[in-house]
Amino acid sequence: ELKVEQNPLFLSMQEGKNYTIYCNYSTTSDRLYWYRQDPGKSLESLFVLLSNGAVKQEGRLMASLDTKARLSTLHITAAVHDLSATYFCAVVPNYGGSQGNLIFGKGTKLSVKP
Amino acid sequence: DTGVSQNPRHKITKRGQNVTFRCDPISEHNRLYWYRQTLGQGPEFLTYFQNEAQLEKSRLLSDRFSAERPKGSFSTLEIQRTEQGDSAMYLCASSPMDNWQYFGPGTRLTVT
Repeated sequence: ELKVEQNPLFLSMQEGKNYTIYCNYSTTSDRLYWYRQDPGKSLESLFVLLSNGAVKQEGRLMASLDTKARLSTLHITAAVHDLSATYFCAVVPNYGGSQGNLIFGKGTKLSVKP
Repeated sequence: DTGVSQNPRHKITKRGQNVTFRCDPISEHNRLYWYRQTLGQGPEFLTYFQNEAQLEKSRLLSDRFSAERPKGSFSTLEIQRTEQGDSAMYLCASSPMDNWQYFGPGTRLTVT
């Protein structure tokens, strides 16, 4: 069974600082996604990573994927308050019969304080 | 607005009652997924449709749960004889083939 683990689960940052969220998964996967969720809201798509070494950047967020280590990172540069949210990574299991359903981690709740 | 829509947005029901949720996917997306999210957790997969065919169901989907997508467009998720443990956010997502899953706003169910 595919498991997705994120750490840390809670992250309190000061504005202007850098930090990294880690996402480990237990079996092979073709695709890894990062989503953002604000309290009481649905999920907003951030990045999809499709191959080993893939790197995507949008504003202060940068995601990377190492399929050999089964590890993705979401790096936050010079955090601002608007980045406060819960961030989820999700993978699509790479086994026969998988229909593309996403397996999510528990999420990292990020709080950026002035 | 051409995104995924879900109705109702909130539902409060008494234990033992039946509830039905609706999801309207983005038009021309042939894949439709249902997920359940409880407080402090990531979404968990429930079931998947490709067009009108239900192709996968999670073991989380007990016999009290049923989902349909009769014409390959909108989908409904029904929960019979609701239990307090069914309280959660129910999320629908749609997708073109093998691409992003676009999530709707969710239906928050509270069973009292």
